[in-house]
Amino acid sequence: GAVVSQHPSWVICKSGTSVKIECRSLDFQATTMFWYRQFPKQSLMLMATSNEGSKATYEQGVEKDKFLINHASLTLSTLTVTSAHPEDSSFYICSARDFRGLTEAFFGQGTRLTVV
Amino acid sequence: GENVEQHPSTLSVQEGDSAVIKCTYSDSASNYFPWYKQELGKRPQLIIDIRSNVGEKKDQRIAVTLNKTAKHFSLHITETQPEDSAVYFCAATASGGSYIPTFGRGTSLIVHP
Repeated sequence: GAVVSQHPSWVICKSGTSVKIECRSLDFQATTMFWYRQFPKQSLMLMATSNEGSKATYEQGVEKDKFLINHASLTLSTLTVTSAHPEDSSFYICSARDFRGLTEAFFGQGTRLTVV
Repeated sequence: GENVEQHPSTLSVQEGDSAVIKCTYSDSASNYFPWYKQELGKRPQLIIDIRSNVGEKKDQRIAVTLNKTAKHFSLHITETQPEDSAVYFCAATASGGSYIPTFGRGTSLIVHP
């Protein structure tokens, strides 16, 4: 089956530094990838939709300059949290859709970000 | 845009009982409805899905029903087991285009042994 790999699975960083999270589709090509943020005991909050070769579409309220998204190839999208603050601490999950148009989305394993 | 409501937020059952989680959606263009199970600290896993041309789908102890007219769909788990304990999310989406799934708020299912 389709596999989405997200790295790292957890990271601790100091306030003011930047952190990059990678999302890779291992056995399929993903024209579209989605980035979510999840707070404890809450649902998945869509942050942005990433399309290969074009700029990401951000949801209302999500700062583009703070959460930089790059989708340089059909198998890789990255999320960079810039100038991280403790309130950015959260669980970030990506998902990818097969470019052939299949509607199922496959999730990465998530990244637990802790900013100290 | 699409709006998905999910109830209940918490569901506690005894092992062996059935569990039902209900979702409603607002966009009549939505035609694909997946259900995900998320264990603590792990990724959501697709457990069953249904498309709008089908009214019911079953996979062993799990079944999903869809009422397009009323715009609601439900997850049914029979003979629940402690390992069914997790958070379950419903989602609704329209195929084609950018396909952005809209998720419900989630239901925390607790199965007591």
